[in-house]
Amino acid sequence: KNQVEQSPQSLIILEGKNCTLQCNYTVSPFSNLRWYKQDTGRGPVSLTIMTFSENTKSNGRYTATLDADTKQSSLHITASQLSDSASYICVVTLNTGGGNKLTFGTGTQLKVEL
Amino acid sequence: DAGITQSPRHKVTETGTPVTLRCHQTENHRYMYWYRQDPGHGLRLIHYSYGVKDTDKGEVSDGYSVSRSKTEDFLLTLESATSSQTSVYFCAMGQLNEQFFGPGTRLTVL
Repeated sequence: KNQVEQSPQSLIILEGKNCTLQCNYTVSPFSNLRWYKQDTGRGPVSLTIMTFSENTKSNGRYTATLDADTKQSSLHITASQLSDSASYICVVTLNTGGGNKLTFGTGTQLKVEL
Repeated sequence: DAGITQSPRHKVTETGTPVTLRCHQTENHRYMYWYRQDPGHGLRLIHYSYGVKDTDKGEVSDGYSVSRSKTEDFLLTLESATSSQTSVYFCAMGQLNEQFFGPGTRLTVL
């Protein structure tokens, strides 16, 4: 079982609508959580990063929330645009005794249609 | 993708042949990484480097080797490619908390 689970696996929405993507993790001890956007045929690009003490972080129309108690994060996209069509990946940093380790979710594939 | 490139971007090869993928960065980052991305899996770390000639294994290192003779270049070699190594390979640079990814190399092993 993946230590970082994302849902839904895929999502189709109409342009202008809002949507929320979910990330549940079991990684512990937790250092930080990052959301990446990956356009088709490109590498992932960071959207937000949150430490365990942060509840919310915004980047334009993207707002990430974190509940470290329930080990859940969400990424809310407001007023979606066609360019938001991409895969959104949740990444959790595990703080091990020998250094940090990243655990990647499998991503949510978002398609924004007219 | 700014400051980090990968070559080739696409490659088709046959089982048993050696393959080398190149990652080049212009940001003078000390840390560089190689990942593979497969359907149903998150990105998985193959190898990483923490300096010239300093490399270490990641979680899926079997069948792969790396070299870093210069700060700007990090090479990934498949000594004898297998069909299970068909994947998209991403190079990244920077600290773990702030990684910047290259555009990826799609490798198909027939």
